[in-house]
Amino acid sequence: KAGVTQTPRYLIKTRGQQVTLSCSPISGHRSVSWYQQTPGQGLQFLFEYFSETQRNKGNFPGRFSGRQFSNSRSEMNVSTLELGDSALYLCASSTGAQETQYFGPGTRLLVL
Amino acid sequence: DAKTTQPTSMDCAEGRAANLPCNHSTISGNEYVYWYRQIHSQGPQYIIHGLKNNETNEMASLIITEDRKSSTLILPHATLRDTAVYYCIVRVGGSDSWGKLQFGAGTQVVVTP
Repeated sequence: KAGVTQTPRYLIKTRGQQVTLSCSPISGHRSVSWYQQTPGQGLQFLFEYFSETQRNKGNFPGRFSGRQFSNSRSEMNVSTLELGDSALYLCASSTGAQETQYFGPGTRLLVL
Repeated sequence: DAKTTQPTSMDCAEGRAANLPCNHSTISGNEYVYWYRQIHSQGPQYIIHGLKNNETNEMASLIITEDRKSSTLILPHATLRDTAVYYCIVRVGGSDSWGKLQFGAGTQVVVTP
């Protein structure tokens, strides 16, 4: 089975812009979670989607949003980018919310 | 989720077993212990998980103490490719933790020739 894929792998944006990142889960997986990883804060949970519904959310501002499509693919959006949003964004998929998560390679975002 | 304590770093000689400890003294009866590792700038890789019994797969073994307050991940024959940050995570059920893994700082393992 193909693993979790994320696009794009690298992205450079400027402050104030918005960005959309994409995640394709492992076939048959319906739960997709998103994480942000920075050197200062480590890996932090953003949100989880299951069957197109956001079921859990971490402690991030409303500029961070996401959605999930009927084929379980997910996107996350960050609006009004700030320098501090520079990070590795990871998505993980699983068959259910409490099942083992498998991570993608991540999207590295640099905000200038 | 119950918190975990891991050493900041450890070295291991190539070909030897690497034993990675993790303390989770506040773990509850329904909380699983998960191990992931992250090689530099890649996504975390699932290694193994367990509840009460010891577990083994093709990558590693997980030994959980009888009181479940600590565990040890064993890499039987470490190779240079095992150099990574290893995360021990305790995961609880319930809607607050749906889809959420709580990562700590992990243990930086360096395998040397």
